[in-house]
Amino acid sequence: EAQVTQNPRYLITVTGKKLTVTCSQNMNHEYMSWYRQDPGLGLRQIYYSMNVEVTDKGDVPEGYKVSRKEKRNFPLILESPSPNQTSLYFCASSPLSPGALPEQFFGPGTRLTVL
Amino acid sequence: AQSVTQLDSHVSVSEGTPVLLRCNYSSSYSPSLFWYVQHPNKGLQLLLKYTSAATLVKGINGFEAEFKKSETSFHLTKPSAHMSDAAEYFCVVSDQGYSTLTFGKGTMLLVSP
Repeated sequence: EAQVTQNPRYLITVTGKKLTVTCSQNMNHEYMSWYRQDPGLGLRQIYYSMNVEVTDKGDVPEGYKVSRKEKRNFPLILESPSPNQTSLYFCASSPLSPGALPEQFFGPGTRLTVL
Repeated sequence: AQSVTQLDSHVSVSEGTPVLLRCNYSSSYSPSLFWYVQHPNKGLQLLLKYTSAATLVKGINGFEAEFKKSETSFHLTKPSAHMSDAAEYFCVVSDQGYSTLTFGKGTMLLVSP
């Protein structure tokens, strides 16, 4: 089954304790992206990657890191989490095509709480 | 620059009545436009998309949207609401030359019996 998977689905942690949220897709997509969703703000892009070893900042990159060493994986790293990073996080992927980006396929989400 | 405005944060309808969720966009080139739906505690599911073919786009579950370039709108409609349509809906734009999608802030659809 074609899908985007994220782990963990739920995480409660404390301020300053480094954490990684994994994202993997099995559709051979070039493009992968991380979003955070907060009430009343919709989804905001954190980082995206156009291909292996190619990453770029989205709208809200502060406090996050990413890497793209393999095409299928795109982990999100919080080196020193803070309470304002409490949010619902989505990973997404899509193929690349000429022109505008096609629709993205979303993972199930990771609900992160930072105390 | 690309941007999206969803004109209503909440829309309430009765079951069996029409649904209209409004979306205006700003785009420099030829955009692709999408509507996604998010049911409570679920991920995002694509409802429909416009990619410069037919301006009236049909999606899943009886939803459709019409691309109107002159009005820069992409409103989502459904003739008859069902209780299962209660969810949050996001209008999304992707412009040529951009490497990102831009999401609207969402419209919560409430359906009463």
